[in-house]
Amino acid sequence: GAGVSQSPSNKVTEKGKDVELRCDPISGHTALYWYRQSLGQGLEFLIYFQGNSAPDKSGLPSDRFSAERTGGSVSTLTIQRTQQEDSAVYLCASSLATVGRGTGELFFGEGSRLTVL
Amino acid sequence: AQSVAQPEDQVNVAEGNPLTVKCTYSVSGNPYLFWYVQYPNRGLQFLLKYITGDNLVKGSYGFEAEFNKSQTSFHLKKPSALVSDSALYFCAAPSGGYQKVTFGTGTKLQVIP
Repeated sequence: GAGVSQSPSNKVTEKGKDVELRCDPISGHTALYWYRQSLGQGLEFLIYFQGNSAPDKSGLPSDRFSAERTGGSVSTLTIQRTQQEDSAVYLCASSLATVGRGTGELFFGEGSRLTVL
Repeated sequence: AQSVAQPEDQVNVAEGNPLTVKCTYSVSGNPYLFWYVQYPNRGLQFLLKYITGDNLVKGSYGFEAEFNKSQTSFHLKKPSALVSDSALYFCAAPSGGYQKVTFGTGTKLQVIP
């Protein structure tokens, strides 16, 4: 498909385990974002990748969270030693960032719902 | 840097009535503003954006938004609400040098048949 693809769609894990969430952005989109949405809550910014620039990690809540983007395309968000408060929907988005005119619209995936028992 | 605020957690409107979902912004420089919609158990979808130009911006599904510089607002509007418009609406703006996009807290719109 042509949209943003996220996997897994649902993940149930035990407290203390590590999890990896994957995002496959729209081909050609240089910007990639991760957000977290807790039940009934707004979107919490986690991390932003733009081309080959250093990522903006200012939203990562702790050092248990990390993300990488390989080859300017697929991204993986890793949560180590998961805690119950990590339970949320993790949303990935990509965009064609237009330099000098602000950010283009974001295209979101369906999200990965993480449940930590 | 820019930030947005959505003062209402929930808005209820009768089907067929006009609807307004509020958003205010604070910005240094020219504002870039967006509206997104999230239907139940789905990701977010882009509705419309204001970059520059006309203060009334038209978007998807019959929605429009009015940019008001004096009131620093960017309210989302629709002349006649549909039950299918019931969803969570987010105002957004890029910040940090027009790179990182941050979202408001969201407003739940409930259209009552």
